[in-house]
Amino acid sequence: DAGVIQSPRHEVTEMGQEVTLRCKPISGHDYLFWYRQTMMRGLELLIYFNNNVPIDDSGMPEDRFSAKMPNASFSTLKIQPSEPRDSAVYFCASSLSFSGGTDTQYFGPGTRLTVL
Amino acid sequence: TQLLEQSPQFLSIQEGENLTVYCNSSSVFSSLQWYRQEPGEGPVLLVTVVTGGEVKKLKRLTFQFGDARKDSSLHITAAQTGDTGLYLCAGAPGNQFYFGTGTSLTVIP
Repeated sequence: DAGVIQSPRHEVTEMGQEVTLRCKPISGHDYLFWYRQTMMRGLELLIYFNNNVPIDDSGMPEDRFSAKMPNASFSTLKIQPSEPRDSAVYFCASSLSFSGGTDTQYFGPGTRLTVL
Repeated sequence: TQLLEQSPQFLSIQEGENLTVYCNSSSVFSSLQWYRQEPGEGPVLLVTVVTGGEVKKLKRLTFQFGDARKDSSLHITAAQTGDTGLYLCAGAPGNQFYFGTGTSLTVIP
């Protein structure tokens, strides 16, 4: 398997622009997670899906952020409008299950977002 | 305040030395995981501990889960340059999943 695939790997945009990050999970995995990693806040869970349905989006910072999973093999994280404080590395991860934190999450290589 | 606090935040040691990093919380976890993240990559799971007092060994790495299930430690024996990376503990108290603050380890040849 190719693992979790994320695109683009790097994104540089200007404040106010819309940004769309993409993720293809490992085939057969029922759970998909979006994380954000910064030096100040570390690695934070933004939202996760089970069978394409959003389960918990309490980590999404504000209404400018939205995530969708139209099918089992594709998810997007959109920021509109983007702000400089959104600059971070965004990771997508997938897992077979999610029960009490014992499951293995497989992470993609991340998208490094820079908002100027 | 982070739910999972790790110490030290940064650690730089010579190859061959031993080290221990810690993961502490005021909350009880049913299990804790340790991940290692190398520069430019996503975290990779090393181990999951599920029983209070449990000790797991992975070659030169020894993981321990505290008796009260509020803390964990990672001990590396005879560190190698390949051990360099960011070590993260993680757990799920409920529906959310939290990563610790991380320990950045540099092993100098």
